[in-house]
Amino acid sequence: GAVVSQHPSWVICKSGTSVKIECRSLDFQATTMFWYRQFPKQSLMLMATSNEGSKATYEQGVEKDKFLINHASLTLSTLTVTSAHPEDSSFYICSARGGGASSYEQYFGPGTRLTVT
Amino acid sequence: GQNIDQPTEMTATEGAIVQINCTYQTSGFNGLFWYQQHAGEAPTFLSYNVLDGLEEKGRFSSFLSRSKGYSYLLLKELQMKDSASYLCAVRDRRKVTFGTGTKLQVIP
Repeated sequence: GAVVSQHPSWVICKSGTSVKIECRSLDFQATTMFWYRQFPKQSLMLMATSNEGSKATYEQGVEKDKFLINHASLTLSTLTVTSAHPEDSSFYICSARGGGASSYEQYFGPGTRLTVT
Repeated sequence: GQNIDQPTEMTATEGAIVQINCTYQTSGFNGLFWYQQHAGEAPTFLSYNVLDGLEEKGRFSSFLSRSKGYSYLLLKELQMKDSASYLCAVRDRRKVTFGTGTKLQVIP
């Protein structure tokens, strides 16, 4: 099956700094990538959807200037959390969707656990 | 918008059968997913239903009734490793929205 990787798998940063999370589709071209956030014991909340080469579409309540998304190629999307605060501590998960017969299916990365101190 | 409802927790015995229900309200329905998520890990795909009926895949089956806004995930011959959260997710024309998940505990 399709594989999506994320890097780093966990990160601790100080309040006020920025953190970049990478999401890569390893064996398929991801026309669309999704970024989710999951707080403990809660479900996945979609933050934004990005298509390669175009600006990301952010969900209501998600600050686009704080969560910068770049989908520069068909295999790489990045999420940068700028000026991080402790309330940004969460589990960030990306997923990718390709084209073709299985284009409905989203393949999830392993997630990145962010802790802001 | 979308409204997805599923039970918060369930407990079942090893070797038994368990059914996890999901009801939803949405405009522009385009399919329903079931995902399994172990604690601290990303979700893994189990099934996708877009037409009414039952889809069987090994020990797991998923059912959909679009007119009733209802789906269920059926797990047979439960194993201890099936202890996880099971997420119902509904796709509309634009995005996939996840329910809060059902935490299943399998006991000996």
